[in-house]
Amino acid sequence: DIQMTQSPSSVSASVGDRVTITCRASQGISSWLAWYQQKPGKAPKLLIYAASSLQSGVPSRFSGSGSGTDFTLTISSLQPEDFATYYCQQANSFLGLTFGGGTKVEIK
Amino acid sequence: QVQLQESGPGLVKPSETLSLTCTVSGGSISSYYWSWIRQPAGKGLEWIGRIYTSGSTNYNPSLKSRVTMSVDTSKNQFSLKLSSVTAADTAVYYCARVVKSVNAFDIWGQGTMVTVSS
Repeated sequence: DIQMTQSPSSVSASVGDRVTITCRASQGISSWLAWYQQKPGKAPKLLIYAASSLQSGVPSRFSGSGSGTDFTLTISSLQPEDFATYYCQQANSFLGLTFGGGTKVEIK
Repeated sequence: QVQLQESGPGLVKPSETLSLTCTVSGGSISSYYWSWIRQPAGKGLEWIGRIYTSGSTNYNPSLKSRVTMSVDTSKNQFSLKLSSVTAADTAVYYCARVVKSVNAFDIWGQGTMVTVSS
C-alpha cells in the first residue's frame, strides 16, 4: 500500500489567512493526487484532482501543487465556509487507493 | 444532476454480512466506475473498492477477502457486501462516482451509518 501522511493534523487560522496543508506519499505517485473538503456530517467534496486541477465550481482561492511524493493544498484567503477537514487521496493505483489522515482547519 | 443514495440496514450483527445498495439518479450508471468508501466515527476515510458497469472489480487488499461488489445496470444500482463483520466495521459508508481518467471521486452519496452490534 502507498501510505499518505498529511501535516499538520490541525491548524488554527483566521479569516483572510493563507493556509497550506501538505501531503507526502510513501512512494512516487506522479500527479495522481486529489484533495477533498469535508464538513461535519457531510460527505467529502472534491476540490482538486491530478494534483493541481481545480474541480468545476470550486473557488479559485483553492490551489494544489506538487508531484512525485510531496504535495500541497493552499487556501489563499481563508473564508468562513472553509473551516472543515481536508483529505488528500493518492489515485495512482486501484491495487490500493489510500487517503491521508486529514487536516482540520479551525477558527483561531 | 447525478445523485447517489445509499440504502440498507443500519444495524448488523457480528459475524453476519453487511449489505448496502447505492442508487444512481439523474444520469446513467453506464460507462463509469463506482466506489464504496467508509469512515468510522471521528476517523479518516478508507476506500473499500470499485466496480465498473461491466462488472469488473478492484478491492482494497486489506478487505478483499470479505468484500463483494455487484452492479445492476437495469436498476441503475450497485451494491456492496461485506462478510464476517465485527465492531471494527462500524462506520458511515459512502458510495461515490469515480472520475476514471484521474481516479478521483467527484460525486458522493450522503452516507449511511452502519453499526455492528449484537
